[in-house]
Amino acid sequence: QSVLTQPPSVSAAPGQKVTISCSGSSSNVGNNYVSWYQQLPGTAPKLLIYENNKRPSGIPDRFSGSKSGTSATLGITGLQTGDEAEYHCGTWESGLGAVVVFGGGTKLTVL
Amino acid sequence: QVQLQESGPGLVKPSETLSLTCTVSGDSISSGYYYWTWIRQPAGKGLEWIGRVYTSGSANYNPSLKSRVTISIDTSKNQFSLNLSSVTAADTAVYYCARSPGLDIWGQGTMVTVSS
Repeated sequence: QSVLTQPPSVSAAPGQKVTISCSGSSSNVGNNYVSWYQQLPGTAPKLLIYENNKRPSGIPDRFSGSKSGTSATLGITGLQTGDEAEYHCGTWESGLGAVVVFGGGTKLTVL
Repeated sequence: QVQLQESGPGLVKPSETLSLTCTVSGDSISSGYYYWTWIRQPAGKGLEWIGRVYTSGSANYNPSLKSRVTISIDTSKNQFSLNLSSVTAADTAVYYCARSPGLDIWGQGTMVTVSS
């Protein structure tokens, strides 16, 4: 059972917008930066968003991140079939001493 | 560009020790302010952070695995390693190495199965 809570799956049509939530507590999401990772089928995760809302070089601005209180959200606009993947949120867990925790992952289906 | 590559046995017997190595190429493992992380993912499940090692050799571990895990670094070989002792079927997973902070670069992952 993961420390952070994500919906198991979300879906939307090409061109539409989707959001994925990541819920935690004051000891993790509430007081630490959140990152998001995209995992295409059969591949390793890839950093998508860091420090709540920053994109690494090469990540299109269709991907955005935000945080409010103990929840974080990944937004994807202009959905493409190539966005179909598993999305993971992660952050530090202050209560466990510099440990990294993740959500269970959300499978995005682009219909 | 920096690349990471995991290597090690794909099959480990129950109660034995799982040993993996991550080789860093494209830059010195000691450069910058980076540290190095192991993460695993059982089939169909989420990511689990195993631990990290700094270039100094100091390490932090997931409390749930701490009694069985050792992560070490060999700067002369540009490698860091994972040892997980007393493995069971529950340790069957894809194991990834990654660069920290931020987990911005990952290896491709290596599947390890625990079975007799």
